[in-house]
Amino acid sequence: DQQVKQNSPSLSVQEGRISILNCDYTNSMFDYFLWYKKYPAEGPTFLISISSIKDKNEDGRFTVFLNKSAKHLSLHIVPSQPGDSAVYFCAAKRSNDYKLSFGAGTTVTVRA
Amino acid sequence: EAGVAQSPRYKIIEKRQSVAFWCNPISGHATLYWYQQILGQGPKLLIQFQNNGVVDDSQLPKDRFSAERLKGVDSTLKIQPAKLEDSAVYLCASSLVPQSETQYFGPGTRLLVL
Repeated sequence: DQQVKQNSPSLSVQEGRISILNCDYTNSMFDYFLWYKKYPAEGPTFLISISSIKDKNEDGRFTVFLNKSAKHLSLHIVPSQPGDSAVYFCAAKRSNDYKLSFGAGTTVTVRA
Repeated sequence: EAGVAQSPRYKIIEKRQSVAFWCNPISGHATLYWYQQILGQGPKLLIQFQNNGVVDDSQLPKDRFSAERLKGVDSTLKIQPAKLEDSAVYLCASSLVPQSETQYFGPGTRLLVL
């Protein structure tokens, strides 16, 4: 049962524009959400996270928004750069638990 | 700080053969995870170790998969015998504590079963 869903397998955006990646979850017990970035032939690396007590968290060009009522979160990358081309995984967990549930990933391609 | 190391990086075997993967976590990380990532899907947790003890192996197909972390540092994951559907990337990750928000992933071992 897929508890975290990323319905867009790919996204193409022009350099300098905004990239918006979406993620939906079904388990209402999840209260901590993370985004991982993965380059080819490398493991995922942690990018940014958000706790359910917040609705926004910002780190440089990356901002994550959480809508608990809709069980939806999104990652905004502004401005998008060629080095942002990668696969982005959304993940969720309960804060007192270790187990991460991952989405299937969204491949972002930033065009020059 | 050295990252999570995994070997081999790639492996091609025939079905019914055996294969083993090795992982060396970040120094001082007590918690180690093995994930399976099938093409087009997100990583799925197979097993979690806390030091040399198993915390969760509920998703590990125990009829063919086994894992150990004898001295609480390195870990090996074995598949015997392999099936076609085992073709995937096997990721090892480690964290300082079990509930850590951040798991550090290795580069993975890409397995192809023919």
